[in-house]
Amino acid sequence: GENVEQHPSTLSVQEGDSAVIKCTYSDSASNYFPWYKQELGKRPQLIIDIRSNVGEKKDQRIAVTLNKTAKHFSLHITETQPEDSAVYFCAASMNSGGYQKVTFGTGTKLQVIP
Amino acid sequence: DAGITQSPRHKVTETGTPVTLRCHQTENHRYMYWYRQDPGHGLRLIHYSYGVKDTDKGEVSDGYSVSRSKTEDFLLTLESATSSQTSVYFCAISEGLAGGGTQYFGPGTRLLVL
Repeated sequence: GENVEQHPSTLSVQEGDSAVIKCTYSDSASNYFPWYKQELGKRPQLIIDIRSNVGEKKDQRIAVTLNKTAKHFSLHITETQPEDSAVYFCAASMNSGGYQKVTFGTGTKLQVIP
Repeated sequence: DAGITQSPRHKVTETGTPVTLRCHQTENHRYMYWYRQDPGHGLRLIHYSYGVKDTDKGEVSDGYSVSRSKTEDFLLTLESATSSQTSVYFCAISEGLAGGGTQYFGPGTRLLVL
């Protein structure tokens, strides 16, 4: 089955610096890669996603890149702010037997230091 | 937030007792999922549903059963709760990859099994 590895598990950055979180996946059938942000005690919420036919996608301070050949994708947050502090999850998704199978990474706890 | 609610939001129970968690959606999404979230493991799929009365197992289904008698409701039952089932449980809904692929999560249920 699909295996998603996520690094680092924790990340501390100074406010205004950039943060990068990296994920690798194992199954080339995965074709949709969402990123979720989870604040303490809250539900995971989608912040950005990318499909396998696209190499890069940007939304204001957040960008995601995908390298299908190497089977890795990354989340980039620029000009970090204290409200970016949260746990971030990557995921790889594919169609499997008629349903959408999603495999999550183990999460990265991002701390933005004011 | 998408129209997803979970009940109860918090529950304390004793080992060996049955427990049922409810997920209710108002979005008419076809797919519904139950995940558990534990430190260091991210989100792991317990069971999913691809329609009324259509359900299947995820990667950590032992000790859990589900039912979906209506589009809007997806029930998760712990037949005989064990301490290893102490966790935060999230329900999610999706229209599948054909519908965009985004999963929307409920607010979660914190379950403590003593």
